[in-house]
Amino acid sequence: GAGVSQSPSNKVTEKGKDVELRCDPISGHTALYWYRQSLGQGLEFLIYFQGNSAPDKSGLPSDRFSAERTGGSVSTLTIQRTQQEDSAVYLCASSLAQRGRLHFGNGTRLTVT
Amino acid sequence: KNEVEQSPQNLTAQEGEFITINCSYSVGISALHWLQQHPGGGIVSLFMLSSGKKKHGRLIATINIQEKHSSLHITASHPRDSAVYICAVGLWGGGADGLTFGKGTHLIIQP
Repeated sequence: GAGVSQSPSNKVTEKGKDVELRCDPISGHTALYWYRQSLGQGLEFLIYFQGNSAPDKSGLPSDRFSAERTGGSVSTLTIQRTQQEDSAVYLCASSLAQRGRLHFGNGTRLTVT
Repeated sequence: KNEVEQSPQNLTAQEGEFITINCSYSVGISALHWLQQHPGGGIVSLFMLSSGKKKHGRLIATINIQEKHSSLHITASHPRDSAVYICAVGLWGGGADGLTFGKGTHLIIQP
């Protein structure tokens, strides 16, 4: 497809388990962002990748969160030892260039029970 | 204090009405984005602007850099325009190139 693809679309996990969320950006987009949207809250920036540069991790809420982007394309967001407050929709977006117009995926709805 | 403030928080209008949603920010920005999120749906980027005015169909976005203010207008509103409209800014300085988001305006257009 031509858009940003995220998987899974829904994930239910038990507290304490690790989860991996995947984002497949639009081909050729050098910038990739992860955001989080908690119920009733606004969007929160998590991490940003630009090309081969070191990622901007300034939005990650704790050291349980990490992300990588392999080969400048697919990205994986990993949450270790999940907590109930991690429950949210995790959104990935990509853009053709740094600070360009964003294209969002449909998100992964994570529920920690 | 949120660096991006939107108003109104909620807006209900009748089909055909002219809609204005406002966004104010408190710091220097590199660009301002208007996003649309339908219930249960993904987020779509409507506009990205750093000066002046942009128009796409029935949607118009304006920005006043000196006043640190932007508006999103919808002409001849339609029920399918019902969605949450989110203003987001890319901030100058700091480390993050991620956006800072307003809390959104929940718009309902009644037939």
